[in-house]
Amino acid sequence: AQSVTQPDIHITVSEGASLELRCNYSYGATPYLFWYVQSPGQGLQLLLKYFSGDTLVQGIKGFEAEFKRSQSSFNLRKPSVHWSDAAEYFCAVGGGLTGGGNKLTFGTGTQLKVEL
Amino acid sequence: EAGVTQFPSHSVIEKGQTVTLRCDPISGHDNLYWYRRVMGKEIKFLLHFVKESKQDESGMPNNRFLAERTGGTYSTLKVQPAELEDSGVYFCASSSSPQGDIQYFGAGTRLSVL
Repeated sequence: AQSVTQPDIHITVSEGASLELRCNYSYGATPYLFWYVQSPGQGLQLLLKYFSGDTLVQGIKGFEAEFKRSQSSFNLRKPSVHWSDAAEYFCAVGGGLTGGGNKLTFGTGTQLKVEL
Repeated sequence: EAGVTQFPSHSVIEKGQTVTLRCDPISGHDNLYWYRRVMGKEIKFLLHFVKESKQDESGMPNNRFLAERTGGTYSTLKVQPAELEDSGVYFCASSSSPQGDIQYFGAGTRLSVL
């Protein structure tokens, strides 16, 4: 069964500092990987996705993530955090090239706080 | 283009009552998904519709939950009778194709069962 681990429940960073949110997954083949963000009162917004190809993917709002097959990781990064990035971030895995449907399995989320 | 819309945004009911949540997917999206997040836990898959057919309902917790998608457009999720442990945020998502496509999420319905 597929699973996703986000080891950090809460993270606090200063505005302008760099950010890395960790995500490890368990899946039997090459998965589809996603990062979503949820701001207060909003729905889940897709930041970026990895399906295949280049393992470094760029997303919206200056975020990027790197797929590392050997480490089963898909960590999210941003070089300089803005106060508006304060939100909850979710890593998710979906059925990959071998099928298995398209239901997403989510991690428990990482709540990001940005100090001014 | 309108996104995924969910009604109501918040519902407070007493144990034993019935509640119906509604989801309007993005127009033209055949695939519709329901997910739930119980307080402090991860977002969990409930079921997947392709048009009006249930493709996968492996995540439905028990027979108190009934999902429908008549005509392949909007969907409803009914909880009858509601229990305390049903409290949480119910998300709906839609996508245009079933495999390897982006799921677009609504803002969710927060259900509080007292």
